[in-house]
Amino acid sequence: GAGVSQTPSNKVTEKGKYVELRCDPISGHTALYWYRQSLGQGPEFLIYFQGTGAADDSGLPNDRFFAVRPEGSVSTLKIQRTERGDSAVYLCASSLIPLVSGANVLTFGAGSRLTVL
Amino acid sequence: AQTVTQSQPEMSVQEAETVTLSCTYDTSESDYYLFWYKQPPSRQMILVIRQEAYKQQNATENRFSVNFQKAAKSFSLKISDSQLGDAAMYFCAYTGTASKLTFGTGTRLQVTL
Repeated sequence: GAGVSQTPSNKVTEKGKYVELRCDPISGHTALYWYRQSLGQGPEFLIYFQGTGAADDSGLPNDRFFAVRPEGSVSTLKIQRTERGDSAVYLCASSLIPLVSGANVLTFGAGSRLTVL
Repeated sequence: AQTVTQSQPEMSVQEAETVTLSCTYDTSESDYYLFWYKQPPSRQMILVIRQEAYKQQNATENRFSVNFQKAAKSFSLKISDSQLGDAAMYFCAYTGTASKLTFGTGTRLQVTL
């Protein structure tokens, strides 16, 4: 697509429920990133995919968080047993090649706002 | 680990005036890139400007320019001829060998008439 698409735009759920957030990156972009942005904070890195594999998942806060990218395009961030502290905007970004080259830049989606009641 | 610090939670500027947003960072890496991103209420992060650490010359993009002081680990953003559309959150960010962006906490810029 023309840009990075994230669905749903907003999600309200109850504590303890399971949630899936979807990211559809720009066509042909091999690198995909998930970030979490809590209220009043900057985005915090969660996980980075290069193709189908997670190249760096060091930012996932605990084992309730999991992400997949089975065909190297669309990615899903999965959160089990949601807690009120998981409330945040979850941002997805993609790039043609990994950021390590520095010359490349990330294109961000508009994010999914998750509210856990 | 790399850190990025933005010490100005909020800034205000009058339309057509100039404003400077501050950013400092800490790293032991010699090769890295610095960025300023703009986040309007729509939430989508938009790249404003990028600086490569090995380049002495400060980056410029139209009304936006940076003052990159490598020894001081400082990377400020100057917005000239401010416009109402410049009102947004501005984030400073760093990337080095780890292939991911580290962001500061942001500065909210208000533009007044």
